[in-house]
Amino acid sequence: AQKVTQAQTEISVVEKEDVTLDCVYETRDTTYYLFWYKQPPSGELVFLIRRNSFDEQNEISGRYSWNFQKSTSSFNFTITASQVVDSAVYFCALSEEKFRSAGGTSYGKLTFGQGTILTVHP
Amino acid sequence: DAGVTQSPTHLIKTRGQHVTLRCSPISGHKSVSWYQQVLGQGPQFIFQYYEKEERGRGNFPDRFSARQFPNYSSELNVNALLLGDSALYLCASSLGDRGHDIQYFGAGTRLSVL
Repeated sequence: AQKVTQAQTEISVVEKEDVTLDCVYETRDTTYYLFWYKQPPSGELVFLIRRNSFDEQNEISGRYSWNFQKSTSSFNFTITASQVVDSAVYFCALSEEKFRSAGGTSYGKLTFGQGTILTVHP
Repeated sequence: DAGVTQSPTHLIKTRGQHVTLRCSPISGHKSVSWYQQVLGQGPQFIFQYYEKEERGRGNFPDRFSARQFPNYSSELNVNALLLGDSALYLCASSLGDRGHDIQYFGAGTRLSVL
């Protein structure tokens, strides 16, 4: 069974601080994909990044960076020099190439963590 | 280009009623998935459709059903509403139906059951 755990329920920082959001996952498949989404108060989930299980290179996009470590089954997300606009709920998610459920096969199902509420104070 | 659009934005129903939620995918996307997000939790998978066929179903009762139309839009139906069905219902579209396909989400329909 696939599972995603985001142990940090809420994080509060002051603007310009760096912050790391943790994500730990479980899967029995060797081919899988990890995602991060941002959910602002408007409710829409905004896609941030996708990594596949064969690519452990860290990635940086502006103030965002991601650290993928298969040895610890973790996919952590760091925001450098945080800004008030970064305040949102952040979700880590996992999908397998083919998810097998009792009722059949489900392709592309996303399993989400519980989310981390990030508040950046001015 | 328009993103994923969902209607209505908000909905208030009473127990026992039926509800239909609608979703239009991004142009060119052939897969639509539905998720339920209860307050304070992550989204939970309900259904995935691809090319009008059901590709997957989450752990939800038979009161939940869905379909996809020839233009790839989709409807989620919930019968005999319970208080516990109150949630944000999110629709996501993707090019294909595989795990590597990025799912893009709409703003959701917030359903309140009284």
